[in-house]
Amino acid sequence: QKEVEQDPGPLSVPEGAIVSLNCTYSNSAFQYFMWYRQYSRKGPELLMYTYSSGNKEDGRFTAQVDKSSKYISLFIRDSQPSDSATYLCAIGRNQAGTALIFGKGTTLSVSS
Amino acid sequence: DTEVTQTPKHLVMGMTNKKSLKCEQHMGHRAMYWYKQKAKKPPELMFVYSYEKLSINESVPSRFSPECPNSSLLNLHLHALQPEDSALYLCASSQGNRLAGAAKNIQYFGAGTRLSVL
Repeated sequence: QKEVEQDPGPLSVPEGAIVSLNCTYSNSAFQYFMWYRQYSRKGPELLMYTYSSGNKEDGRFTAQVDKSSKYISLFIRDSQPSDSATYLCAIGRNQAGTALIFGKGTTLSVSS
Repeated sequence: DTEVTQTPKHLVMGMTNKKSLKCEQHMGHRAMYWYKQKAKKPPELMFVYSYEKLSINESVPSRFSPECPNSSLLNLHLHALQPEDSALYLCASSQGNRLAGAAKNIQYFGAGTRLSVL
């Protein structure tokens, strides 16, 4: 079993839709959960991170973590064409200098 | 400011060339990383520097040689690369373990250097 599983999509939605992106992980030793957005041919941009179960909201984005089921989600409300990108979930330990474990990324396309 | 700056943005090199990639951050971060990313794949860790010392080398071929001249700079020296080394090379940084705060390993990435080896 891979450490992080993420459905690669692609996912296509109309503008204004609510998007749900999900990952599962297997190792409960990881304490940090991150979502990165990566536009084509650019570096990953940190969207949100959390280290506890529950929800964290930032504008149109909500990150949700359920440690008991090892499930992390990113919700995008009122999706915009500018949200079209690849979304990578990542998990990490609370120790600098250790690798992040990435999911394969989900490619999202929002049409106007 | 969460900016990690990488230069050059694009690089084309022959298999006999020697070139260097540069990375700079001014966030006071003390852990810096090199990742390699192939198309439609997630980033793969290559090297980690923690407090200017190499702490992780993920069995990367010796034609890649990292260097950390100071706490703000990270270089990746390239020599005798192969066409399969063509990829997006990403630099990232995070707080060091000796610093206070909970988010020690939240990594911020640069825009990357797109490398083509001919």
